[in-house]
Amino acid sequence: DAGITQSPRHKVTETGTPVTLRCHQTENHRYMYWYRQDPGHGLRLIHYSYGVKDTDKGEVSDGYSVSRSKTEDFLLTLESATSSQTSVYFCAIKNTGDNEQFFGPGTRLTVL
Amino acid sequence: AQSVTQLGSHVSVSEGALVLLRCNYSSSVPPYLFWYVQYPNQGLQLLLKYTTGATLVKGINGFEAEFKKSETSFHLTKPSAHMSDAAEYFCAVTRISGGSNYKLTFGKGTLLTVNP
Repeated sequence: DAGITQSPRHKVTETGTPVTLRCHQTENHRYMYWYRQDPGHGLRLIHYSYGVKDTDKGEVSDGYSVSRSKTEDFLLTLESATSSQTSVYFCAIKNTGDNEQFFGPGTRLTVL
Repeated sequence: AQSVTQLGSHVSVSEGALVLLRCNYSSSVPPYLFWYVQYPNQGLQLLLKYTTGATLVKGINGFEAEFKKSETSFHLTKPSAHMSDAAEYFCAVTRISGGSNYKLTFGKGTLLTVNP
């Protein structure tokens, strides 16, 4: 298995609070991605990174920000969580020269 | 722009029967195509992929898929379903051309149920 961990694995929070999810890899892969999975929607890309300090928006980026200060960590922040951000969040990584992404175990976030 | 349509959000088969999960894609440039499988409460695992070359690709657990450019399809098949195949399956597409940063676009998923 690709060395990807996500923390926390489960989180319950209240509307309006900030939340940060962490994705950590031990593979030294260049590309990292954040997706959210919702019933009936499949997985949708939130943000991605193509190198340290290089990030860009995906299709559902509103309400989310990301940071990547070192190769191994990609942080996803919800500045002020809303109930619509209740979801399962997956991180993925991809190496330069490869074409497939490897996924982490996911974080289940509930916003009350 | 690229998109993926998976026909049938839920497919039910009997154990030993043929499994056919349908995927059609839209892409303005040559695509890379993927099938991922997700078991309950787990992350996604790559089942198989098409990049270039042979259009019939074989994956893990006896699954295979055929890339048909003329039909813009990449259907997933398995000759004989096993109880352990019960899971959700996702088709995904990405672009080969530069600048895409290999962003995946996923279909909405097909839940496969296998009946004894």
